[in-house]
Amino acid sequence: LAKTTQPISMDSYEGQEVNITCSHNNIATNDYITWYQQFPSQGPRFIIQGYKTKVTNEVASLFIPADRKSSTLSLPRVSLSDTAVYYCLVAVYSSASKIIFGSGTRLSIRP
Amino acid sequence: DSGVTQTPKHLITATGQRVTLRCSPRSGDLSVYWYQQSLDQGLQFLIQYYNGEERAKGNILERFSAQQFPDLHSELNLSSLELGDSALYFCASSVGGPPYEQYFGPGTRLTVT
Repeated sequence: LAKTTQPISMDSYEGQEVNITCSHNNIATNDYITWYQQFPSQGPRFIIQGYKTKVTNEVASLFIPADRKSSTLSLPRVSLSDTAVYYCLVAVYSSASKIIFGSGTRLSIRP
Repeated sequence: DSGVTQTPKHLITATGQRVTLRCSPRSGDLSVYWYQQSLDQGLQFLIQYYNGEERAKGNILERFSAQQFPDLHSELNLSSLELGDSALYFCASSVGGPPYEQYFGPGTRLTVT
């Protein structure tokens, strides 16, 4: 199973770029990498998903190296409202799929 | 608003009791997932249904069971409740199975006393 490892917490300041890395050494060929954001007492919200190289949308970028053993979520110019927990998810494609969320990274943004 | 609804929002019950949590997926979504999140813990995947059939199982206890009905809503049944079952239970839905984007509901907060 593709277990994921993320930093427990990170701190940054408004206006800075924040990069959160997720390690997934046992990622399988058909696995995709997805990142979710969660605010306290709310359900997670999809941020971005990728398979390889780089993906960018209106809120974030996702960098995946060629070996796909890690991925980095990049949040440009963060604001206070980006304070949340960020989860890395590697979805395993098989007949007995296992869904494993990482332990999450608690991101705190300061003024 | 994700389009996923969960009822009830809060539930308080005693140890040994049985409860049922309900989830209605987004219109058009065939997959339903259930997750448990204890205080300050990450998301633990419990089970996934796709179009009425069980598709994947995570760390779901034998005291817990779920089903997805023909109208695609799902119920999670928790029985012989213990104090440690107190948690937020989230339902999510997606068009298909992984890796399709999951849309999470607001959750049901279960408190076992």
